[in-house]
Amino acid sequence: KAGVTQTPRYLIKTRGQQVTLSCSPISGHRSVSWYQQTPGQGLQFLFEYFSETQRNKGNFPGRFSGRQFSNSRSEMNVSTLELGDSALYLCASSFGTGGINEQFFGPGTRLTVL
Amino acid sequence: AQRVTQPEKLLSVFKGAPVELKCNYSYSGSPELFWYVQYSRQRLQLLLRHISRESIKGFTADLNKGETSFHLKKPFAQEEDSAMYYCAPRDDYKLSFGAGTTVTVRA
Repeated sequence: KAGVTQTPRYLIKTRGQQVTLSCSPISGHRSVSWYQQTPGQGLQFLFEYFSETQRNKGNFPGRFSGRQFSNSRSEMNVSTLELGDSALYLCASSFGTGGINEQFFGPGTRLTVL
Repeated sequence: AQRVTQPEKLLSVFKGAPVELKCNYSYSGSPELFWYVQYSRQRLQLLLRHISRESIKGFTADLNKGETSFHLKKPFAQEEDSAMYYCAPRDDYKLSFGAGTTVTVRA
C-alpha cells in the first residue's frame, strides 16, 4: 500500500501571498488531519476532514482553511502569508475518525515565507 | 485547558541501560493515549497506544490515571532507539502532541 503523499515537498513564498498544499491519503482512508510543526510551538493540530466534512478545527486564524474531495484527497490553503507561517506542514490519514484509529503521517511540506 | 507535558527535551543513555520518557497530561475526560516516534529522516509513526496494552520494540507505557501520566519505558535501550518521541493524547478527533523528547543512545 502506498503511504500518505504530500505535494509539494518544499515551497518558498513571500509575505502576503497565498499557498495551497495537497495531501493524498492511503487508499481507503477517509479521514485526513493537518498539523503545523515549528521549532517553537512543536506539533499543532490544524483541522481534520472526514467524508468531505470538517470534523474539528484547531486554534488557528481564518487564513488557514482546508477542504476534502470525494476521493478523500485534501488541500490546505493559507492566505495572506506571514513570516510566522514558515513551518513543516504534516498531513495524516486514518481509516476512520475517533481515538482508536491510527494516523499515518506523510513526509510533510516545508513552507518558507520570506 | 488541555495540556500535555514532556519535561525532558533531551535524554542521553548508554546502550543496555533503561530509559524512561515522562509524559503528563491535563485533560477533562479520559483521552486515548499514544506515543509517536520519529527516527532520523523518517516520517512520524505510531509507536504504541494505551488501548492495545502492547509492547512494541521492547517499549511499554504505563497509564496512571491518578497522576495523569503515561510514561514510556524500555528496560534495555538499543542504539536504534535514538529518535524523537512524542506523547500524544487524543480526545474526540484531535490528537495533541507534547513538545517531544530527543533520545540518544550511546554505544
